[in-house]
Amino acid sequence: SYELTQPPSVSVSPGQTATITCSGNTLGEKYVSWYQQRPGQSPVLVLYQDNYRPSGIPERFSGSNSGNTATLTISGTQAMDEADYYCQTRDSNTVIFGGGTKLTVL
Amino acid sequence: QVQVQESGPGLVKPSGTLSLTCAVSGVSIISSNWWSWVRQPPGKGLEWIGDIYHSGSTDYNPSLKSRVTILVDKSKNQFSLNLRSVTAADTAVYYCARSPRSYEHDSSWFDPWGRGTLVTVSS
Repeated sequence: SYELTQPPSVSVSPGQTATITCSGNTLGEKYVSWYQQRPGQSPVLVLYQDNYRPSGIPERFSGSNSGNTATLTISGTQAMDEADYYCQTRDSNTVIFGGGTKLTVL
Repeated sequence: QVQVQESGPGLVKPSGTLSLTCAVSGVSIISSNWWSWVRQPPGKGLEWIGDIYHSGSTDYNPSLKSRVTILVDKSKNQFSLNLRSVTAADTAVYYCARSPRSYEHDSSWFDPWGRGTLVTVSS
């Protein structure tokens, strides 16, 4: 079965750029979505189809996907961006989530 | 705007059946969307359970397929989840969500999500 691998944790200083990766076999041939989940809250879609932002998501969230790796980039990271982030894709009519990355802003 | 809201028992006995309903508002369930269930065990990551289209077509997580049924009720604008033969490993927060799908790109995503409901499997 298809798997997505994310680093368990990423740290970033306020105002800097945070990069969260998601790896999978030929992932660049698929489309990836990203979700933000703050503690005690439901997940929120921040990017879909690799790099499209839903209405209301700040422009500092961007994405890319090529080869075996998709990347979520948060520019000018703010304290409110501290959360768990999950990548997601489809493979053979199933949905797969990455294990999640805890982003710490310190 | 589109909203989804889960409801159902918070406690289910081992070997029993977990049954949840997701009420959809702000859009007709027979619109061009799929509707989904996702769960999250305490302190762990997200696990997709399955999707349904208003026609009744479904996709299920292979690891759960033998125990899961997702149904749609067009008259009530809602869909439901039944998970049979539950064990403690099924204890989780269960979310429902709308799942737009791009057939051209074979992609789908989840937006919005409900608040989630914690279901505990215990005697």
